[in-house]
Amino acid sequence: AQTVTQSQPEMSVQEAETVTLSCTYDTSENNYYLFWYKQPPSRQMILVIRQEAYKQQNATENRFSVNFQKAAKSFSLKISDSQLGDTAMYFCAFMKLLGGSNYKLTFGKGTLLTVNP
Amino acid sequence: ETGVTQTPRHLVMGMTNKKSLKCEQHLGHNAMYWYKQSAKKPLELMFVYSLEERVENNSVPSRFSPECPNSSHLFLHLHTLQPEDSALYLCASSQGEGTNTGELFFGEGSRLTVL
Repeated sequence: AQTVTQSQPEMSVQEAETVTLSCTYDTSENNYYLFWYKQPPSRQMILVIRQEAYKQQNATENRFSVNFQKAAKSFSLKISDSQLGDTAMYFCAFMKLLGGSNYKLTFGKGTLLTVNP
Repeated sequence: ETGVTQTPRHLVMGMTNKKSLKCEQHLGHNAMYWYKQSAKKPLELMFVYSLEERVENNSVPSRFSPECPNSSHLFLHLHTLQPEDSALYLCASSQGEGTNTGELFFGEGSRLTVL
């Protein structure tokens, strides 16, 4: 079974600064996806960024980028130029790429990020 | 219409009540999910339906009963719940097996309180 660990329950950052959220995972699979989802207060959870394990290049989406270290099973999220709207719970998630359960995601406990003005 | 809509948003029920949570998706997806979100715990996958067939039942107590009458609607029927079942219940949808890239589209959730 896969496990996802987010070691930082809460973090805070000043507006316009950069923050990095940590995530580690445990799996015996070689092919899989990793995700960061964002859940703003009282709003829907949405996908922030996705990384395919077979790709060496780190995924980027505007101000969001990841540092994917496959051997270390580490998948951190960097948010640059933090904005007040980035305040949310961030969840790291793992999905197997192939097999009958390829739709099944395993989530971490989440990191509550607060962006301060 | 938002992509995934859940009703009611808030529900308070006694342990002897019977109620239902409803989820509707307008995205043309063919897989739907129920997740339970409790404080300080990872999201727990409860049920998965693919093409209206249940493909995952994650050891959920029988007091939770899912129903998927078609690919756009998903229900969670609740009866004789316990206070520890109080949580945020999230519905999600995706493209489904074979074409799924892992992105789930979530509703805003139904906040359930069991007295």
